Amino acid sequence: DAGVTQSPTHLIKTRGQHVTLRCSPISGHKSVSWYQQVLGQGPQFIFQYYEKEERGRGNFPDRFSARQFPNYSSELNVNALLLGDSALYLCASSFPGSGANVLTFGAGSRLTVL
Amino acid sequence: AQSVTQLGSHVSVSEGALVLLRCNYSSSVPPYLFWYVQYPNQGLQLLLKYTSAATLVKGINGFEAEFKKSETSFHLTKPSAHMSDAAEYFCAVRQNRDDKIIFGKGTRLHILP
Repeated sequence: DAGVTQSPTHLIKTRGQHVTLRCSPISGHKSVSWYQQVLGQGPQFIFQYYEKEERGRGNFPDRFSARQFPNYSSELNVNALLLGDSALYLCASSFPGSGANVLTFGAGSRLTVL
Repeated sequence: AQSVTQLGSHVSVSEGALVLLRCNYSSSVPPYLFWYVQYPNQGLQLLLKYTSAATLVKGINGFEAEFKKSETSFHLTKPSAHMSDAAEYFCAVRQNRDDKIIFGKGTRLHILP
């Protein structure tokens, strides 16, 4: 079975641009979460989506948005990029109700803002 | 509010020696606790999880962790380090049954030959 897949794996943008990151969850997983991992830090929660509805939002500005599609894949959008948005963006999927709701992470999309 | 503190941003041990990575948590209710490992340029892989079933939790690759409520700790151990264990390790806590996980800042484990 394929794991959580994310695209693109690497990308470079300039300040003020917009970026879209994509995530395909494990087959059967209905929940997708997004995390931002700045170099040298632990991942920080951005969003959770379940059955196409937002279930949780972390402490991020409105420049960050996301959505989930009927096939449970998800997009994370970031507008008006800042240098500080440079990070590894991790997507994780889970099957709610499966005990501890263990998250399975993708390899991430590494965003560099110049 | 939940939080996780990992003591030591870098830990070095000799190959074959005991690995001990420290984690303390703060939570107002019994938490779910996790240890994840991250190899260079990769995502996070679950090592083990605590869900109140047993205080001593065994994970993959020979790692285990013990939940101590009185000390609010969930330290990760491995009896004998291997070169392949060199990676970054994250302790994490989740209080509710959603997917918001609070991660510690991580501990980078170095294995000395």
